[in-house]
Amino acid sequence: KQEVTQIPAALSVPEGENLVLNCSFTDSAIYNLQWFRQDPGKGLTSLLLIQSSQREQTSGRLNASLDKSSGRSTLYIAASQPGDSATYLCAVRPSGSGNTGKLIFGQGTTLQVKP
Amino acid sequence: KAGVTQTPRYLIKTRGQQVTLSCSPISGHRSVSWYQQTPGQGLQFLFEYFSETQRNKGNFPGRFSGRQFSNSRSEMNVSTLELGDSALYLCASSFVSAGLDKNIQYFGAGTRLSVL
Repeated sequence: KQEVTQIPAALSVPEGENLVLNCSFTDSAIYNLQWFRQDPGKGLTSLLLIQSSQREQTSGRLNASLDKSSGRSTLYIAASQPGDSATYLCAVRPSGSGNTGKLIFGQGTTLQVKP
Repeated sequence: KAGVTQTPRYLIKTRGQQVTLSCSPISGHRSVSWYQQTPGQGLQFLFEYFSETQRNKGNFPGRFSGRQFSNSRSEMNVSTLELGDSALYLCASSFVSAGLDKNIQYFGAGTRLSVL
């Protein structure tokens, strides 16, 4: 059974710091991995999607890497800003035709960036 | 381009009642997935619909059901509500294609259901 773990559960950093969020999964049979951001009481905003054949994806100050064989992904946020404060979730889509439309989520890392 | 729209945003029901939630996907998206989010269990997959057919189902009791219409809009129904059904219910739509960026799931703002 696929399990997704995110460490740390919460993180507080001063503005301007570079930071890394970690995500690990137990089964390497994945189709893709997606990072999301969730603001309090809101839905999820997709940040980056990495296909199983890719090693990393970049969007602005965000860079996500994927090491499928070791079951790990990291989200790197450069020069953090107070507006980055939110909960960050990683989710894997298991491979196999019986897993269409299904994402398995970690519990998230709640980030606070202090001015 | 309009995003995923969920209605209503908030619902208050009592135990034993039933509820129907609605989700309108992004135009052109044919896959709709539903998730339940609670503080204790996090985000859990309920089911996925594609072209009016349920293709995948999570580990939820039969009280949770859904359907999809020909215009890809989807509804989720929960019968005989229990206190533990209180949660944020999120739907997500995706295009579904072999293209690298075409399987991104885009989420709505959710429906917050409170069962009293």
